Amino acid sequence: GQSLEQPSEVTAVEGAIVQINCTYQTSGFYGLSWYQQHDGGAPTFLSYNALDGLEETGRFSSFLSRSDSYGYLLLQELQMKDSASYFCAVKKSNYQLIWGAGTKLIIKP
Amino acid sequence: EAGVAQSPRYKIIEKRQSVAFWCNPISGHATLYWYQQILGQGPKLLIQFQNNGVVDDSQLPKDRFSAERLKGVDSTLKIQPAKLEDSAVYLCASGLAGVNEQFFGPGTRLTVL
Repeated sequence: GQSLEQPSEVTAVEGAIVQINCTYQTSGFYGLSWYQQHDGGAPTFLSYNALDGLEETGRFSSFLSRSDSYGYLLLQELQMKDSASYFCAVKKSNYQLIWGAGTKLIIKP
Repeated sequence: EAGVAQSPRYKIIEKRQSVAFWCNPISGHATLYWYQQILGQGPKLLIQFQNNGVVDDSQLPKDRFSAERLKGVDSTLKIQPAKLEDSAVYLCASGLAGVNEQFFGPGTRLTVL
């Protein structure tokens, strides 16, 4: 079978740093994507990691370890607008993207 | 640049009725995806098109769901007949061939009573 595991909910304080983990078990792996989705909104693309290591884009960074089947999304200098659900998704072939159940990030002032 | 357009935004039907959703992708995007997102879950891919050909429909319940993408641009997704468990948001996304980023439309929220 195949599975993606991520915490269902994470709470953090405005201005802090938070890490959202994703572990996966899939038959085939090309890379790991992260998407953000606000309540009632559409998912928006944040990052894609195909190789091991850290990719930084502004306040957001994404990390991948292929040997550990593990990745994380790091959000720095949290703002209230970052309150949303965050999904990891595995690209398991040229055409298939398998999504996790999502992590709801709650930010408190 | 215009984003992915979907209509209708909301639809309420009774079980056993039929319903159709429409999607217009971003101009020039060869790849088009239909997802089903049940409340509290991640999107589940139903079907993926490359131009007007199907590349993956392994999770499409083909006894009741159908989709087409005529001329490799607009796409329609149909459910016939609908079941209660089909209540969900149906998301359409598009992307450039070989590029990982997918651009999503606002979705259609379907309620089956």
